[in-house]
Amino acid sequence: GAGVSQTPSNKVTEKGKYVELRCDPISGHTALYWYRQSLGQGPEFLIYFQGTGAADDSGLPNDRFFAVRPEGSVSTLKIQRTERGDSAVYLCASSLKGGSTYNEQFFGPGTRLTVL
Amino acid sequence: DAKTTQPTSMDCAEGRAANLPCNHSTISGNEYVYWYRQIHSQGPQYIIHGLKNNETNEMASLIITEDRKSSTLILPHATLRDTAVYYCIVRTYGQNFVFGPGTRLSVLP
Repeated sequence: GAGVSQTPSNKVTEKGKYVELRCDPISGHTALYWYRQSLGQGPEFLIYFQGTGAADDSGLPNDRFFAVRPEGSVSTLKIQRTERGDSAVYLCASSLKGGSTYNEQFFGPGTRLTVL
Repeated sequence: DAKTTQPTSMDCAEGRAANLPCNHSTISGNEYVYWYRQIHSQGPQYIIHGLKNNETNEMASLIITEDRKSSTLILPHATLRDTAVYYCIVRTYGQNFVFGPGTRLSVLP
């Protein structure tokens, strides 16, 4: 079956620009997560959606970062006024339901964002 | 901050067992131990998790010490495709996953 997909796979932008990264979770998964991964580091949690609502956005680094999931399936991570330090791989994951003890998260391949 | 410590890197000969250690000395009673791995240029992949009993599935075995302060992930017959970064994570209900830098396992021919 289809796994988690993310588009684009690569995004190059200039400092100060706005970018949107898209995540299509596995069908039927109610929980969706965004992570950011810098080179040589493990993924860093950004935000978690349960359905349409952000259940936990404590990992968003600042107000330039925002994410939506209006219909409870596809999610978009939006970054305003990008900075060179935003360059990283942005990973999306989904799970059947969030918050449970058994919570296998299925990850997408990520979007590599490069801010010049 | 990650609640686990793992060696930065390990090597293993192809066909031999790979034993990846993880220390989690501050683990609390309701925290589970999870293992994920990340093959180059891919997203992390779930391997196994456990609370206090040893667990086994088609991918690996998880051995948790009696005091639960450490665990070992065992890949019984490592192949070249097992070369990856392996993450050990402790987590309880409602918590988010906190990934550390993991262990880079290189399976050598």
